[in-house]
Amino acid sequence: GENVEQHPSTLSVQEGDSAVIKCTYSDSASNYFPWYKQELGKRPQLIIDIRSNVGEKKDQRIAVTLNKTAKHFSLHITETQPEDSAVYFCAASRSGGGADGLTFGKGTHLIIQP
Amino acid sequence: NAGVTQTPKFQVLKTGQSMTLQCAQDMNHEYMSWYRQDPGMGLRLIHYSVGAGITDQGEVPNGYNVSRSTTEDFPLRLLSAAPSQTSVYFCASKRGLASSGANVLTFGAGSRLTVL
Repeated sequence: GENVEQHPSTLSVQEGDSAVIKCTYSDSASNYFPWYKQELGKRPQLIIDIRSNVGEKKDQRIAVTLNKTAKHFSLHITETQPEDSAVYFCAASRSGGGADGLTFGKGTHLIIQP
Repeated sequence: NAGVTQTPKFQVLKTGQSMTLQCAQDMNHEYMSWYRQDPGMGLRLIHYSVGAGITDQGEVPNGYNVSRSTTEDFPLRLLSAAPSQTSVYFCASKRGLASSGANVLTFGAGSRLTVL
């Protein structure tokens, strides 16, 4: 089955700086890569996703890049703010996130230092 | 719409006891699933269903049973609880099988289970 590795497990950045979280996946058939944000005690919520036919996608301060050849994808957050502090999970799936479900990375705890 | 509703929010069990975690969605979603979240382990898929009457195993199905008799409900049963099943459980659903901008996996608020 699919295996998703996520790094780093903890990331501390100064407010206003950029943060980058990286994930690799093992199944070359995976074609859907979402990122979820989970604030303390709350449910995971989708913040951005990308499909294998796209190399990069942006939404305001967040962006995701995908390198299919190397089987890795990254989350970029620019101009970080205190409300960006959370645990971020990457995930991968075949069939567009369909019947086989999502395989998640182990998460990155992002800490924004004031 | 209430979205995805999970009950109970908290539960303490003794080893060997049985219980059912309830999950209901009012969005007419075809796809429903259960994940467990453990510290440092991310979210791992337990079971999923692509429609009423259809269920299948995910990554960590042992010790859990599911059924999908209606579109709305997808209960998760622990027949004989073990301390290794102490975890936070999330139910999640989406409209169809393919994901798109309007069809993403939506999670419930979670159920925290402690097995002593």
